Amino acid sequence: EVQLVESGGGLVQPGGSLRLSCAASGFTFSSYTMNWVRQAPGKGLEYVSYISSSSSAIYYADSVRGRFTISRDNAKNSLYLQMNSLRAEDTAVYYCARNFLYALDIWGHGTMVTVSS
Amino acid sequence: QSALTQPRSVSGSPGQSVTISCTGTSSDVGGYNYVSWYQQHPGKAPKLMIYDVSKRPSGVPDRFSGSKSDNTASLTISGLQAEDEADYYCCSYAGSFSWVFGGGTRLTVL
Repeated sequence: EVQLVESGGGLVQPGGSLRLSCAASGFTFSSYTMNWVRQAPGKGLEYVSYISSSSSAIYYADSVRGRFTISRDNAKNSLYLQMNSLRAEDTAVYYCARNFLYALDIWGHGTMVTVSS
Repeated sequence: QSALTQPRSVSGSPGQSVTISCTGTSSDVGGYNYVSWYQQHPGKAPKLMIYDVSKRPSGVPDRFSGSKSDNTASLTISGLQAEDEADYYCCSYAGSFSWVFGGGTRLTVL
């Protein structure tokens, strides 16, 4: 079964750091570009970051650029999001999602990140 | 990029058709034929319903269709069913490996 499973969310104080992981299974992870998308409580989807299959191309939304770092380990079939200098407005469910052409066809269940003192 | 513009809510009775619009700019919706639509039920992950403006992934009923004209894309759901009640999000490629979502539309089946 094609599956993405996020982990690493939790409660963190403003200014703190957190590292999210996304474990892929059921497909050839190294062949696909990947993304992070987040959704604040009661709000819509927000595109966060992109990474190409070989990590040669990376994109960040303006809201996280300079604070978040996306990476992947194809040998471990894993995607990561290192989040530093966290703010209250970063509170959200974070989803990892696989690219299918220019769409996102497989999504994980999400992991909740809460930034609060 | 600024979020794409969607109506906050739409509604329809079972069996009817509804259309959800998604307005962007020439830098996203109007510039690429890469609009996708996602269905999200409460507490669940989004599900891809339409990609490349009008293509349906395997398993998505043909009651769901997509189109685009200039800077506005549309999702039409015909033969509404109770299980179609959900939030719907449009998304467009915006160049340089970036994507932009719409604000979301709550569909209520009366």
